[in-house]
Amino acid sequence: GAGVSQTPSNKVTEKGKYVELRCDPISGHTALYWYRQSLGQGPEFLIYFQGTGAADDSGLPNDRFFAVRPEGSVSTLKIQRTERGDSAVYLCASSPGSSTDIQYFGAGTRLSVL
Amino acid sequence: AQSVSQHNHHVILSEAASLELGCNYSYGGTVNLFWYVQYPGQHLQLLLKYFSGDPLVKGIKGFEAEFIKSKFSFNLRKPSVQWSDTAEYFCAATNFGNEKLTFGTGTRLTIIP
Repeated sequence: GAGVSQTPSNKVTEKGKYVELRCDPISGHTALYWYRQSLGQGPEFLIYFQGTGAADDSGLPNDRFFAVRPEGSVSTLKIQRTERGDSAVYLCASSPGSSTDIQYFGAGTRLSVL
Repeated sequence: AQSVSQHNHHVILSEAASLELGCNYSYGGTVNLFWYVQYPGQHLQLLLKYFSGDPLVKGIKGFEAEFIKSKFSFNLRKPSVQWSDTAEYFCAATNFGNEKLTFGTGTRLTIIP
């Protein structure tokens, strides 16, 4: 596709449930990023992949959050035992991979934990 | 800690007015600076970026920003705004070689026709 694709666009779940959010980056982009945007805030970094490996996961808030990118393309953000405070828009971005490349963002997944 | 501050939370202007949105950063080392825009119902898009060289950078749709190292600032400007500029604007920064973006809290811009 032409841009970064994120599915689902909206996800409603109950407290304590497990959720998976998917990101399909721009074809050929080796770098992939996850951010979280809470209401009234700017996006906050969660994790960054270069290829298949997590190059920086310092933004993951706790061990309930995990992300994978097994083939260096599609990535999945996984949240276990969801809490109401996890409600936010989860954004994915990709870039060609060098430090001077810009990041292209998807439309995000709006997660609501009831 | 690295941080980006945007002090204007909501700005309301009439069409044809001049715009300046403030952005200050707290970063050590070489910094890369960005302005992203999010139009209603759309995803984040890059307006402009500064990596090095001329501190006055020009972006899309007539926007420009000036990097002032002594003031740790990267303010966004446009001489004459249009109704279609209504959007949320985010300033962001990275350290050279470390690509994770740190965003400000954003400024909501409303243009009155």
